[in-house]
Amino acid sequence: EAQVTQNPRYLITVTGKKLTVTCSQNMNHEYMSWYRQDPGLGLRQIYYSMNVEVTDKGDVPEGYKVSRKEKRNFPLILESPSPNQTSLYFCASSFDRGGRAEAFFGQGTRLTVV
Amino acid sequence: GENVEQHPSTLSVQEGDSAVIKCTYSDSASNYFPWYKQELGKRPQLIIDIRSNVGEKKDQRIAVTLNKTAKHFSLHITETQPEDSAVYFCAASRAGTASKLTFGTGTRLQVTL
Repeated sequence: EAQVTQNPRYLITVTGKKLTVTCSQNMNHEYMSWYRQDPGLGLRQIYYSMNVEVTDKGDVPEGYKVSRKEKRNFPLILESPSPNQTSLYFCASSFDRGGRAEAFFGQGTRLTVV
Repeated sequence: GENVEQHPSTLSVQEGDSAVIKCTYSDSASNYFPWYKQELGKRPQLIIDIRSNVGEKKDQRIAVTLNKTAKHFSLHITETQPEDSAVYFCAASRAGTASKLTFGTGTRLQVTL
């Protein structure tokens, strides 16, 4: 089954404690992205990756890091989380081929930083 | 960068009526415009998209129109059903791909019986 898998689904952590949210896709897509979703603000892109070892900032990259060492994995790293990073996070993988395009989202990770 | 505005933020319609959600974008270079539906507690899923070389696209009860000159695009849902109740997001991309999307703030659609 084609899917994007994020872990964990829920996470409560304390300010300053480094954490990683994992994301894996099995569709062999070149593109992967991270978004955060906040009430009234929609989805905002944090980082995206066009392929292995190629990443670029999205609209709200401050306080986040990413890496793309393998095509299927795109972890999101918060080196020193702060309460304003409390949010719902979505990983997405996407393709654009033959005039068709689509982003497939993971199931989301709800992060609370206290 | 790109900015996408979406209206209304909430919309309530009776079952069987039509619903229209409108979005405007700022970057004239944007050329790909998808719409995503997010049911409560679920992930966003693509329902329809349109590219800048097309003015209208239809898929059963849903359609999207694009006005490049005015830089706005709209989602039309006809014969609404209770299962259409969800949050709908429009998005725009200048890259022409689904890899770098700027989303609107969402419209909560409620279809009442």
